Amino acid sequence: EIVLTQSPGTLSLSPGERATLSCRASQRISSSNLAWYQQKPGQAPRLLIHGASSRATGIPDRFSGSGSGTDFTLTISRLEPEDFAMYYCQQYGRSPTFGPGTKVDVK
Amino acid sequence: EVQLVQSGAEVIEPGESLRISCQGSGYSFTNYWIAWVRQMPGKGLEWMGTINPSDSDISYSPSFQGHVTFSADMSISTAYLQWSSLKASGTAMYFCARHYTTSSPMDVWGQGTTVTVSS
Repeated sequence: EIVLTQSPGTLSLSPGERATLSCRASQRISSSNLAWYQQKPGQAPRLLIHGASSRATGIPDRFSGSGSGTDFTLTISRLEPEDFAMYYCQQYGRSPTFGPGTKVDVK
Repeated sequence: EVQLVQSGAEVIEPGESLRISCQGSGYSFTNYWIAWVRQMPGKGLEWMGTINPSDSDISYSPSFQGHVTFSADMSISTAYLQWSSLKASGTAMYFCARHYTTSSPMDVWGQGTTVTVSS
């Protein structure tokens, strides 16, 4: 099983600031089968990024993904009020797994 | 509009059986796999497994194998998650989500079904 580790656990920032979230895999993820999801309280997760760097339909361009192999990053260039939420990375290979999540909250 | 609509919240007693559902609309249901994801209170997301509604090909996470059963009814575009005997540890939110292949992200999610197991 591929284990994903996310850091930091919590990121406290102000609106307008840049957020950088990290996701590290216990082994190489093939074909960049890495996605990022956003989840707000009481809601279902929403796909933000797939293939490590491709934005899903309708996702604003302030969200960007990068990385390959075992190290991946989600960047939110300028935080909007609606971006304060939980973020999960996921590898969607043969046996998908999720990371434990990073909470982005208001400083 | 492409959507997955899940059945309503359930409150059951330990040892009871339960089946919850996930109905797809706005797309060809048999062209996509349906995954099930558990989220225990205050915790993260756990992949339980996935089913291909077109042929009922199933892959269970080792953590859930033997504890849950997936099924699907193509005629009504609905996937099911079933337990024969739930424990208190089954209290959680359960999401369904579609994905195009076994190596695709989950691009559309149901709203979730809350299951509470309590005596």
